[in-house]
Amino acid sequence: AQSVTQLGSHVSVSEGALVLLRCNYSSSVPPYLFWYVQYPNQGLQLLLKYTSAATLVKGINGFEAEFKKSETSFHLTKPSAHMSDAAEYFCAVSDRNRDDKIIFGKGTRLHILP
Amino acid sequence: NAGVTQTPKFQVLKTGQSMTLQCAQDMNHNSMYWYRQDPGMGLRLIYYSASEGTTDKGEVPNGYNVSRLNKREFSLRLESAAPSQTSVYFCASRDRYNEQFFGPGTRLTVL
Repeated sequence: AQSVTQLGSHVSVSEGALVLLRCNYSSSVPPYLFWYVQYPNQGLQLLLKYTSAATLVKGINGFEAEFKKSETSFHLTKPSAHMSDAAEYFCAVSDRNRDDKIIFGKGTRLHILP
Repeated sequence: NAGVTQTPKFQVLKTGQSMTLQCAQDMNHNSMYWYRQDPGMGLRLIYYSASEGTTDKGEVPNGYNVSRLNKREFSLRLESAAPSQTSVYFCASRDRYNEQFFGPGTRLTVL
């Protein structure tokens, strides 16, 4: 069965500092991997996705993530945090052979310190 | 193009009451999903529908039923609401590039 583990339910960084949100996955087959962002009182929106092309995936708002098969990781990074990045971030995985079922991690709330 | 719409936005029920959450999408997507979001638990999949006429259980289906009425609509029914079903419910649809599009959510409180 697939699963996703996000390390750290809360992460705080200073404005302008590097953002690193960690995600490890478990899947018996090559997965599709996603990062979604949720702003307060809103639904989720896609930041980026990995579907088997380049292992370094660039998304919206300056975020990127790198698929590392050897580490079963898909960590999300942004070089310089902005106050508007404060939100909750979710990593998700789906089975490449049966991509209709998508499993989400528990989420990481990102706090930006002025 | 409204995307994914959900009704109602807020609902308060008493234990044992029933209700149906409505979801519709206008993007011609085949797959639709119902999730619940609880603090510290992330999103948990209740049911999903890979295509019109099919539904499958997710991680937490107990206490819920679904209907894929047509390609556009996917409803979630609580037959006898319990306090443990107090949550925020999200409907989503998925395009052929595997991106999910989420509705604004329904905030449900069961007293």
